[in-house]
Parts: sequence; structure tokens; C-alpha cells
Amino acid sequence: AQTVTQSQPEMSVQEAETVTLSCTYDTSESDYYLFWYKQPPSRQMILVIRQEAYKQQNATENRFSVNFQKAAKSFSLKISDSQLGDAAMYFCAYTSWGATNKLIFGTGTLLAVQP
Amino acid sequence: GAGVSQSPSNKVTEKGKDVELRCDPISGHTALYWYRQSLGQGLEFLIYFQGNSAPDKSGLPSDRFSAERTGGSVSTLTIQRTQQEDSAVYLCASRAQGGYGYTFGSGTRLTVV
Repeated sequence: AQTVTQSQPEMSVQEAETVTLSCTYDTSESDYYLFWYKQPPSRQMILVIRQEAYKQQNATENRFSVNFQKAAKSFSLKISDSQLGDAAMYFCAYTSWGATNKLIFGTGTLLAVQP
Repeated sequence: GAGVSQSPSNKVTEKGKDVELRCDPISGHTALYWYRQSLGQGLEFLIYFQGNSAPDKSGLPSDRFSAERTGGSVSTLTIQRTQQEDSAVYLCASRAQGGYGYTFGSGTRLTVV
């Protein structure tokens, strides 16, 4: 069964600094998608970034980038120039081509941004 | 609609009562998912609907949980004889067929007292 592991329950970063959130996953599939979602207190899951496994190039979205290491099954999120609005719970998620394409989530990392 | 709408936003119920949670997905999205998020936990898959196909109920934790989707649009998650361990946030997501853009609602926070 596929699993997603986030080993950092909480992280803290100074405003304007850079922080990296870790995620590892386990799968026997070769074709899949990986996601980072942000969940602020409003509870709505907001897509931060998405990576297709067949693409070797790491995805980037403005201040957010990933380090995708397929062989190591690692998918870390780097947030540059951290802003107060980045404070939230961050979830790593996985899905593969299949009947349901359901997302499998890690347990999340709570990110605090210090002014 | 423009987004996934869930109601109620918050629900407090007494142990043993039945509750219904509603999800109104994005118009045209054929796939619909229900997830449960317990305090300090990740999201746990409950059930999946795709068009007119039989739903994938593999994540439902007990037979007290059921869900239906009428007309391929609105979905209702029903929890019968609620227990305190059912207290959680219930999130709904929808997705266009063939796409990987999942859109989540803001969830229903269920508290069983």
C-alpha cells in the first residue's frame, strides 16, 4: 500500500528566510503525482505545488519549489522569502493512475513564521 | 458553482444522534471524494464517487457511515448513531474527469458531545 510520511510535526522560520519541509513516500508505481497542500485556519486545502513523477525537472511556483528525488522517494518543499501569510499546516499528498485517483496524505507539518 | 461548498460549517450533536453533511461540488466535476481529518491527523479517505459508477466505499470506518450522490452532483455523508470518536473535520473534494486538479471545500467540523 502507498504511504506518505512527514517526519516534522512542527517547523518555524523567520520572516524572509527559507525553510524546507520534508516528505517521503512509498509506492511500487512508476507513474504518479505528488502534491503539497496548505491548510490555513479556514480549513480549506489549497494547492501549493504539484509534481508529475515522469518529469525530472523540479516544479516551481513563485517562492515555492520542490526537490523531487524519485529514486529516494523524497519530495521536499522549499519556501523562500517566507511571509507571515505562509503560516499554516502543510500536507504532502500522493496519487497514482488508477480506479479512484484518491489522494493519500501525510500527517502534516505545522509551519510558524516569526516576524 | 465557483468552488466546492459544504454545509453546515460546524455541527454539534449529541452522542447517538444521526447527522447529515452536505457537499456541493464544482459544476461539471464528475469525481467527488469525502475525507475525514481528526485532530492532529492527516486526511483519511472515506468514499469516492465517479459519475454513475458504483462508489468506492473502501474507506468508510463502519456501517454507521454511508454516503450518496444524487444526479451526479450533490453528495450527502450520513453518520448514524454518532460516537465521540466521530468528532472531526469532514472535507469534500471534487475533480474533473481525467484531471489532477482537486478542489476542496472548507469542511464541516463535527463535534459529538
